[in-house]
Amino acid sequence: SQKIEQNSEALNIQEGKTATLTCNYTNYSPAYLQWYRQDPGRGPVFLLLIRENEKEKRKERLKVTFDTTLKQSLFHITASQPADSATYLCALAASGGSYIPTFGRGTSLIVHP
Amino acid sequence: NAGVMQNPRHLVRRRGQEARLRCSPMKGHSHVYWYRQLPEEGLKFMVYLQKENIIDESGMPKERFSAEFPKEGPSILRIQQVVRGDSAAYFCASSPIQPSQGTGRGETQYFGPGTRLLVL
Repeated sequence: SQKIEQNSEALNIQEGKTATLTCNYTNYSPAYLQWYRQDPGRGPVFLLLIRENEKEKRKERLKVTFDTTLKQSLFHITASQPADSATYLCALAASGGSYIPTFGRGTSLIVHP
Repeated sequence: NAGVMQNPRHLVRRRGQEARLRCSPMKGHSHVYWYRQLPEEGLKFMVYLQKENIIDESGMPKERFSAEFPKEGPSILRIQQVVRGDSAAYFCASSPIQPSQGTGRGETQYFGPGTRLLVL
């Protein structure tokens, strides 16, 4: 069956360090992958999209990589700040069908000052 | 430019009652998606609608749940005869066009703040 896995344990890092979050998937032929941010009590907010034929995408302090051989995406936040503390969701859309993404459970990031 | 609006933000119902959740998409968006989020779980897709059409309802429970997106007015997610297991956060998202293989504007979903349903 199709699975999207994100580390359920919270990631704790010091301010200024690079945070790296992982998204692994199985039994998908991906069309694209997205990363969203969700704060407590709020809806997810879109951050980045990377297509299956792209290796890397950047946006300001954010970087996403996509390795379809390893079936993995890495999400990096450089020079992390306490304001980056949130839950980060990975979402994967399979080729064909309606292209509606399936979301992972998310990983909580806590940046300590 | 108002974002996606959902109301009510919090809804309390007793078992057996009906719950109606409303979603107004962003201005100019005609594609609406409903998701359910349980504590410690991911967002689960329920249904995808365009104006007056259900496009994909593969995530909707077969009974008690229905959704509509009329020509005028908000999209409605209706849960009849609620049970305690329906307690969750329900999120609505919208997009300007339909999603495709990551080549256009349809893939980014703009989420509302959610409706927290509590069934007593």
